[in-house]
Amino acid sequence: EPEVTQTPSHQVTQMGQEVILRCVPISNHLYFYWYRQILGQKVEFLVSFYNNEISEKSEIFDDQFSVERPDGSNFTLKIRSTKLEDSAMYFCASSDGQVVEQYFGPGTRLTVT
Amino acid sequence: RKEVEQDPGPFNVPEGATVAFNCTYSNSASQSFFWYRQDCRKEPKLLMSVYSSGNEDGRFTAQLNRASQYISLLIRDSKLSDSATYLCVVSLTPPFSGGYNKLIFGAGTRLAVHP
Repeated sequence: EPEVTQTPSHQVTQMGQEVILRCVPISNHLYFYWYRQILGQKVEFLVSFYNNEISEKSEIFDDQFSVERPDGSNFTLKIRSTKLEDSAMYFCASSDGQVVEQYFGPGTRLTVT
Repeated sequence: RKEVEQDPGPFNVPEGATVAFNCTYSNSASQSFFWYRQDCRKEPKLLMSVYSSGNEDGRFTAQLNRASQYISLLIRDSKLSDSATYLCVVSLTPPFSGGYNKLIFGAGTRLAVHP
């Protein structure tokens, strides 16, 4: 069964450093998403991406964040200058554009020290 | 008011029990509804979509009441493996419409099934 994959599974970084989280969506999917979940809190939408551009972004997705699809398979989330409050689990998801169901990757745990 | 509200639980039930979770959503423009399951420190996994007529998948039954903006999930014959957090999720995008959509998650209801 096709699945979304994410790397790394855990990233530890110092405050102010840049991080890039990587995702490989399901191969025939067209819509890509990033969500985050701070420990003990609910899953929150960050951004959706289609046809090489952002479709929608949340208030959380400020100028420190960017997304990119550098090639035909990868989808990345970059945080330019990490803050302590960026510590969270980051989930990538994708959907095929025919139905609205989204499928999630296993997540990257980001720890900012 | 929270966009999606759920009783956080935990619901502690014995194996074989029937358990029901409820969820309310605040935006009457919501079009698509889902239950996801999340194990500790894992990703949300789609359990089932919820349709207006209600739907059943094995031991799981979901109901939608648009007038009351209320969604429910019933689990029959609980198994130890059902222990998880159940997430109520809504979207403003209609089902089968294609297009991108933003999922809005509730905080989840924790279920613990014991022997």
